Amino acid sequence: AQTVTQSQPEMSVQEAETVTLSCTYDTSENNYYLFWYKQPPSRQMILVIRQEAYKQQNATENRFSVNFQKAAKSFSLKISDSQLGDTAMYFCAFLAGNNDMRFGAGTRLTVKP
Amino acid sequence: EAGVTQSPTHLIKTRGQQATLRCSPISGHTSVYWYQQALGLGLQFLLWYDEGEERNRGNFPPRFSGRQFPNYSSELNVNALELEDSALYLCASSLAGGRRNEQYFGPGTRLTVT
Repeated sequence: AQTVTQSQPEMSVQEAETVTLSCTYDTSENNYYLFWYKQPPSRQMILVIRQEAYKQQNATENRFSVNFQKAAKSFSLKISDSQLGDTAMYFCAFLAGNNDMRFGAGTRLTVKP
Repeated sequence: EAGVTQSPTHLIKTRGQQATLRCSPISGHTSVYWYQQALGLGLQFLLWYDEGEERNRGNFPPRFSGRQFPNYSSELNVNALELEDSALYLCASSLAGGRRNEQYFGPGTRLTVT
């Protein structure tokens, strides 16, 4: 069974600085997808970034980038130039067969002014 | 383009009652997913519907059930409610089920069982 682990329950960062959120996963599959979702206090889950396991190049979306280490089964999220609006819960998610998306427990990120 | 919508926003029920939650996917999406987000437990996969059929279900008892209608909207029914069913229930939709397709989430229904 696939599992997703986020070892940082809470993190904080100063506005304009960079922060990295960690995620590791366990799977025996070779073809899968990884996602980072953001859930602000409004509760709406928003897709931040996705990574296909077969792609070696790390995904980037504006200020958000990932460090995907397939052999180590690691998928960290880097947020550059943090903004107050980045304050939210961040969930790492793994998607493989049967569309059974597995989520980590989440990291609560607070951006401080 | 309208996003995924869910109703009601909040639902309060008594233990033993039944709850019905509704979800309308993004136009053009045929797959609907249901998740339970209990406090402190993250998101747990409940059900996946595609083209009107249940394609997969998570590790939940049979009193959690649902269906998908011809217009691809979906209902989640929870029978014989228990206190531990109190949670945020999130619905997501995607293009035809497949690992390539991102899931887009609705705002959720907060179910409280007293």
